Amino acid sequence: SQTIHQWPATLVQPVGSPLSLECTVEGTSNPNLYWYRQAAGRGLQLLFYSVGIGQISSEVPQNLSASRPQDRQFILSSKKLLLSDSGFYLCAWAGGLNTEAFFGQGTRLTVV
Amino acid sequence: AQSVTQPDIHITVSEGASLELRCNYSYGATPYLFWYVQSPGQGLQLLLKYFSGDTLVQGIKGFEAEFKRSQSSFNLRKPSVHWSDAAEYFCAVAPVHAGNMLTFGGGTRLMVKP
Repeated sequence: SQTIHQWPATLVQPVGSPLSLECTVEGTSNPNLYWYRQAAGRGLQLLFYSVGIGQISSEVPQNLSASRPQDRQFILSSKKLLLSDSGFYLCAWAGGLNTEAFFGQGTRLTVV
Repeated sequence: AQSVTQPDIHITVSEGASLELRCNYSYGATPYLFWYVQSPGQGLQLLLKYFSGDTLVQGIKGFEAEFKRSQSSFNLRKPSVHWSDAAEYFCAVAPVHAGNMLTFGGGTRLMVKP
C-alpha cells in the first residue's frame, strides 16, 4: 500500500535561517506531489505541485522553493526564513489530476 | 479566483445530536467539491467528494454532504455525532479535470460534549 512520510513534525527556526522539509512517498511511482501551507487563522493554500522529476509549478509568489530530485521525493526549502513563513505545512500525493489526494501528517513550523 | 468560506470557526454539539457544517464557494463554474477531516496529530483524510451526478453524496464515518448549485453550497451533515468525530473539518474545491489543485476553506473545529 502507498504511504507518505513527512518530517519533521515540528520545527522552530530563527528568522534568517535556512529551511528544508522533506516528503517521501512509498508504494507508487510517478505520483503528483503537492505542498500546502496553513497560516494561522487561514485555510490551506497550495504552494507548489509537481507532475514529475524536476517539474515544479508555483501557485503563489513567496520566500519558499520546492524541488523534486527523485520520483517520490519532494522538498520544500528556503534560504532565509521570514516570520511570515510560520505555519502548518502539508505534503500530499495523488495518482493523477482527478484522483484522491493523500496527505502527510504535516510539519508545524514556527519562525522566531 | 476561487474561494471557499466556512462561516463557523468553532462548533460544539452534544454527543448523539445532529451536525451540519456549512461551506460556501465562489467559482466560475461548478467545481469539484470535497470535505476533509483532520484529527489531532493526523494528516487530512478525505470524507467525501462530489464530481458530478447525484447531489447528495455519502462519505465515510456516516457523513453526507449536499451540493446546492443555486446556493453555491456544499454542507456536511451527520445525523448523530460521536465523541470520536471531534476534529477540524475542511471544505475544499478544485477545478474540473484538475481535482488535486485544491483550494481550502479556513476550517471548522468541532467539539463534542459528552
